[in-house]
Amino acid sequence: AQSVTQLGSHVSVSEGALVLLRCNYSSSVPPYLFWYVQYPNQGLQLLLKYTSAATLVKGINGFEAEFKKSETSFHLTKPSAHMSDAAEYFCAVTGGTSYGKLTFGQGTILTVHP
Amino acid sequence: DSGVTQTPKHLITATGQRVTLRCSPRSGDLSVYWYQQSLDQGLQFLIQYYNGEERAKGNILERFSAQQFPDLHSELNLSSLELGDSALYFCASSAQVSSGNTIYFGEGSWLTVV
Repeated sequence: AQSVTQLGSHVSVSEGALVLLRCNYSSSVPPYLFWYVQYPNQGLQLLLKYTSAATLVKGINGFEAEFKKSETSFHLTKPSAHMSDAAEYFCAVTGGTSYGKLTFGQGTILTVHP
Repeated sequence: DSGVTQTPKHLITATGQRVTLRCSPRSGDLSVYWYQQSLDQGLQFLIQYYNGEERAKGNILERFSAQQFPDLHSELNLSSLELGDSALYFCASSAQVSSGNTIYFGEGSWLTVV
């Protein structure tokens, strides 16, 4: 079985500050990891994914994440927050015989204040 | 725009009723997934189809059923609806079922049961 834990259901940062959203996973097989973003009243949009190539993955909108096997983590970062980054972020894992289906964390709501 | 189309976008119905949610996957995608998003349960995987056949089943209630048709569109049928079934239902699609494939999400169907 696979699972994801997102530490912190709410994160608040100032505009221009570093964004760090934490994700830890559990998987008995080599994982594939994803970050999705959900803006209010919209669907899920893929930010980035790790598929066993480079451990540092760059995504859209200036976000990146680093896969650390020893820490079973896949934290999402952005050097400088923008007001438009305010949304809910989901980390997800798949792998092995899961046929590609994603198991999601509980989500982290990011608030950016001026 | 992810290319995944879901209808209806919003639906209000009474307890005990039956509804059908429809999904058209991205052009060329063979795999369709259904997810339920609620405040208390988060994003829960319901069921997956690949090229018309069921591939994986998650936390889907017996009152719910789904199918994928020869033209690859999918329908999720929810019957004997209860207040607790009120949620956002997402359809998603991917080209294949192998892990690492990007899964693209539609904008969801909001179901309110009154």
